[in-house]
Amino acid sequence: DQQVKQNSPSLSVQEGRISILNCDYTNSMFDYFLWYKKYPAEGPTFLISISSIKDKNEDGRFTVFLNKSAKHLSLHIVPSQPGDSAVYFCAASEYYGGSQGNLIFGKGTKLSVKP
Amino acid sequence: DADVTQTPRNRITKTGKRIMLECSQTKGHDRMYWYRQDPGLGLRLIYYSFDVKDINKGEISDGYSVSRQAQAKFSLSLESAIPNQTALYFCATRGTGMNTEAFFGQGTRLTVV
Repeated sequence: DQQVKQNSPSLSVQEGRISILNCDYTNSMFDYFLWYKKYPAEGPTFLISISSIKDKNEDGRFTVFLNKSAKHLSLHIVPSQPGDSAVYFCAASEYYGGSQGNLIFGKGTKLSVKP
Repeated sequence: DADVTQTPRNRITKTGKRIMLECSQTKGHDRMYWYRQDPGLGLRLIYYSFDVKDINKGEISDGYSVSRQAQAKFSLSLESAIPNQTALYFCATRGTGMNTEAFFGQGTRLTVV
C-alpha cells in the first residue's frame, strides 16, 4: 500500500522549458515533504523541502508546491537544463511522539531534459 | 571526504554466501538507515537505528540483519545471499531535529549470482 505515489515513471522536456514533477500521498499525518535528485552511480541528494504549514517553497530554479486538501505536491524546475536530467524522488514523513518519523519514498520519476 | 561512506561500492557474490555492507558517517547524526533501490520500486527501508542500542525493522527486513557498532557505524549483513537481493543499497543518516533531511552514501551495487 503505497503512501507516496509518483505516477509518472518518466518525463521528457526541452531545455529552457518548465519541468513539473508530481507526487501524491495518502497519509494525512505527513507534515514534511522532500524532493531528492539521483544521478546514476550516485546516492540521492537532497534538493528542496516543504513543511505542511506552507504551500510553496522556492530555491533558485526549483519550487515545490503543496496542496494539502488534494494531498498533492509538485516540483517545478524553471528553466530546465540538461544537467537536471536525473531520477527525482518525492519523500514524506510525519512528526509524532516528539520526533520525526522515517522518510517514505515514492518510486521516482526519471526526468530527461533535451538540448 | 564524503559525509556518508559505504564500502564496498560494488560486489558480486554467490548464492548462499554471507556478505556485509559497511557504512560510516561523519555527520554526528544518531539516526542511520539502510535502503534498497530496485528499478521501478523506489527506495525501500530495510532497517533503521536511532542510536547504538536501538535497532528497528523496516519495510523489507527479511533476509537481512544489521549491527550498530558505534554512533558512526552501521553495517548491513546478508546471512545467506539470494539472487533477488541483487540491488543497489544505500545507507543514510538524519538529524533528530524537526524537519531535517537525510544524507545518503554513494551506494553499494550488489549482485548475487
